[in-house]
Amino acid sequence: GENVEQHPSTLSVQEGDSAVIKCTYSDSASNYFPWYKQELGKRPQLIIDIRSNVGEKKDQRIAVTLNKTAKHFSLHITETQPEDSAVYFCAASIKDSGGYQKVTFGTGTKLQVIP
Amino acid sequence: GAGVSQSPRYKVAKRGQDVALRCDPISGHVSLFWYQQALGQGPEFLTYFQNEAQLDKSGLPSDRFFAERPEGSVSTLKIQRTQQEDSAVYLCASSSFRTDTQYFGPGTRLTVL
Repeated sequence: GENVEQHPSTLSVQEGDSAVIKCTYSDSASNYFPWYKQELGKRPQLIIDIRSNVGEKKDQRIAVTLNKTAKHFSLHITETQPEDSAVYFCAASIKDSGGYQKVTFGTGTKLQVIP
Repeated sequence: GAGVSQSPRYKVAKRGQDVALRCDPISGHVSLFWYQQALGQGPEFLTYFQNEAQLDKSGLPSDRFFAERPEGSVSTLKIQRTQQEDSAVYLCASSSFRTDTQYFGPGTRLTVL
């Protein structure tokens, strides 16, 4: 099955600096890569996603890049703010024979933005 | 509109007890997923429903775990004879069949003593 590795496990940055989280996946058939933000005790919330036919996607301060050849994808947050502090999960998803996206999550990165 | 809801939010069970966790997906969402999230880990897939059909239960850790969605909307995850290793947050997610985005509920935190 799919295996997703994520690093770093923790990341501290000064407010205003950039943060980068990197993930690798094992199954070349993965075609959808969502990123979720989870605040303490809250539900995971989708912040950005990218499909395998796209190399980069940006939404305001958040961007995701995908290198299919290397099976790497990364999340970039610019001009970090204290409210960006949370755990971030990358995920890789494969279209199952049943027609649904089977999602495998990374182990998470705890981001702390220091004011 | 209303998001995915789950109940109870917290459940404490004595080892050996049976528990039932409920998920109300977003109205009209065909797909429903259950995940188990251990402390400090990412969600791990348990099972998937398409309407009332359970198409994938490959992630259920043992035969003590059972899920159903009899009318294609509300789903229940049942754990029989709970063990300490079952302690985790159980997340439910739903999605429209047209999109790949999964919307998560707040989870049920299960603690087995």
